[in-house]
Amino acid sequence: GAVVSQHPSRVICKSGTSVKIECRSLDFQATTMFWYRQFPKQSLMLMATSNEGSKATYEQGVEKDKFLINHASLTLSTLTVTSAHPEDSSFYICSAREAGLGGNTEAFFGQGTRLTVV
Amino acid sequence: AQSVTQLDSQVPVFEEAPVELRCNYSSSVSVYLFWYVQYPNQGLQLLLKYLSGSTLVESINGFEAEFNKSQTSFHLRKPSVHISDTAEYFCAVSEQGGSYIPTFGRGTSLIVHP
Repeated sequence: GAVVSQHPSRVICKSGTSVKIECRSLDFQATTMFWYRQFPKQSLMLMATSNEGSKATYEQGVEKDKFLINHASLTLSTLTVTSAHPEDSSFYICSAREAGLGGNTEAFFGQGTRLTVV
Repeated sequence: AQSVTQLDSQVPVFEEAPVELRCNYSSSVSVYLFWYVQYPNQGLQLLLKYLSGSTLVESINGFEAEFNKSQTSFHLRKPSVHISDTAEYFCAVSEQGGSYIPTFGRGTSLIVHP
């Protein structure tokens, strides 16, 4: 299947700093990427849908100014956690669907990023 | 809007025993159904999917799931589990003709004991 690479896999940052997480589709083009947050022992919570060349669509309750999403190309989307606080510590996962295909295809997932804010 | 219910948060089982992980969904339109597996500190990997056609779908590592429209279920089964099957399993649904964004169940932790 298609490969989605997420980087870094783990990051520790100080409270108040910003962290950027990259999500790349390695062997396909993705017009749409999704960013999820996963709390321990819980399911994935969709944070936002990242559309190439346009503004991201955020889910209700997700702060746009805190979680900045940029989808500048068909193979790269970035999530920046700004002014991170300990409560932002979580597992962040991106996924991508191949461009031009409908919903009858699965979304491919990155390996996730474990963010710890100290 | 669609929703997914995974009734069992944790399923302990002994190695080589059969297992069933339950998944029920709710939707007003036709759906696509997926099972994903997640190993510790990793992303999700697709295990199998139902799009159309045969209601019984199989994965390469011995899992199978059956789409039951009347019961709105998509239970995952394996006749004989291995230690390596220990992982978190997520059922997901996306609506045909909709946003195609999958909705996930809360997950079932499969724990295989020797």
